[in-house]
Amino acid sequence: DVVMTQTPVSLSVAIGQPASISCKSSQSLVGTSGKTYLNWLLQRPGQSPKRLIYLVSKLDSGIPDRFSGSGSETDFTLKISRVEADDLGVYYCLQGTHFPNTFGAGTKLELK
Amino acid sequence: EVQLVETGGGLVQPGKSLKLTCATSGFTFSTAWMHWVRQSPEKRLEWIARIKDKSNNYATDYVESVKGRFTISRDDSKSSVYLQMNSLKEEDTATYYCTAYSSLYWGQGTLVTVSS
Repeated sequence: DVVMTQTPVSLSVAIGQPASISCKSSQSLVGTSGKTYLNWLLQRPGQSPKRLIYLVSKLDSGIPDRFSGSGSETDFTLKISRVEADDLGVYYCLQGTHFPNTFGAGTKLELK
Repeated sequence: EVQLVETGGGLVQPGKSLKLTCATSGFTFSTAWMHWVRQSPEKRLEWIARIKDKSNNYATDYVESVKGRFTISRDDSKSSVYLQMNSLKEEDTATYYCTAYSSLYWGQGTLVTVSS
């Protein structure tokens, strides 16, 4: 199975400051179609996960452009340009290129 | 509005069975590939099963840890997907979510606790 390694495990950020989360896969996530099936999800406390970004960098509807995704092959990054209180929770990367789909272990974003 | 509602969770003894249901609305269920994902008490997420649509012969796939014990199925007339779980183990304790459209849609989850 593809191993998704997320860093850091936790992140303490002040409101208005930037944040960055890394996700590395144990093999390339470029599929046979040429697409890279890498998603980012946010799970707020007490809620189900919510998808923020798909195909590495495409923002889901309603997701503010403070969020951005980048990367290729095995190395991916989620960036928040200015953290807001609503951004707190656990962020997960998810690969859908290889069977079975696999998740990163999560990065907990907390307020400093 | 898209809704996915999981039911059927609860406390069950090791070796017993449980069937989860995910009732959906608000999207075209018949063409959606449906998935079950579980989240352990330690908050680790694990994809466990997928069922494709009719045009793909309702093909199913499972993660190795549940293969032979769990069965995913669907009823397009009811816009529902199911997870039959047999021979449950304590390590199956988790919140179970159904998801669709490449993890765009999630239910609220149903908690399954396997314990004697």
